Amino acid sequence: DTGVSQDPRHKITKRGQNVTFRCDPISEHNRLYWYRQTLGQGPEFLTYFQNEAQLEKSRLLSDRFSAERPKGSFSTLEIQRTEQGDSAMYLCASSLIGYKGNTEAFFGQGTRLTVV
Amino acid sequence: AQTVTQSQPEMSVQEAETVTLSCTYDTSESDYYLFWYKQPPSRQMILVIRQEAYKQQNATENRFSVNFQKAAKSFSLKISDSQLGDAAMYFCAYRSRPDYGGATNKLIFGTGTLLAVQP
Repeated sequence: DTGVSQDPRHKITKRGQNVTFRCDPISEHNRLYWYRQTLGQGPEFLTYFQNEAQLEKSRLLSDRFSAERPKGSFSTLEIQRTEQGDSAMYLCASSLIGYKGNTEAFFGQGTRLTVV
Repeated sequence: AQTVTQSQPEMSVQEAETVTLSCTYDTSESDYYLFWYKQPPSRQMILVIRQEAYKQQNATENRFSVNFQKAAKSFSLKISDSQLGDAAMYFCAYRSRPDYGGATNKLIFGTGTLLAVQP
């Protein structure tokens, strides 16, 4: 396992189109996080899963955003009716939480979305 | 709510010299983690160093060390013997404890410091 992978690395879409991103976490990790990073800012938390359950969503995640993690493996983040304000880097991170606590978060390289 | 502030948008250091990146945070919690992450251009974010708030001893990892001042809510990163490969965006981040059960454990990031290393 080579770490967290995200696909695609770059996506250019027209305003109003739907886009979907995929994240493959480190295989034994049960936690998966999505963050959004805009230019000049640090990453901001969007949502997270423990196994297949989505346990928290930030108020940044509008109704146009939906995330899934079927079977507790890979995750998808879909944005419907994209707006120019959605242009950002979308980062995925995974970690392992257990009786010893939570490990550090390992990040993917991100998907850079540009809405034109 | 917790906040993290990095007041240095950009820093520059000569190769082999030492540089210190600043970070302050605000929290009402007594137990938490603090992190420094490195994000090279077009590459993934990687963990540089971690500090547990209940530990008074400052964390060190090879050329990287921190100065953790809990009362002042300050968490600076010192990079010694800077190398060209250290050039990157550096983010300070906060994470609450506990780190088990239903706790979110989301990271709260600062805005980052872009470090340039001059040969």
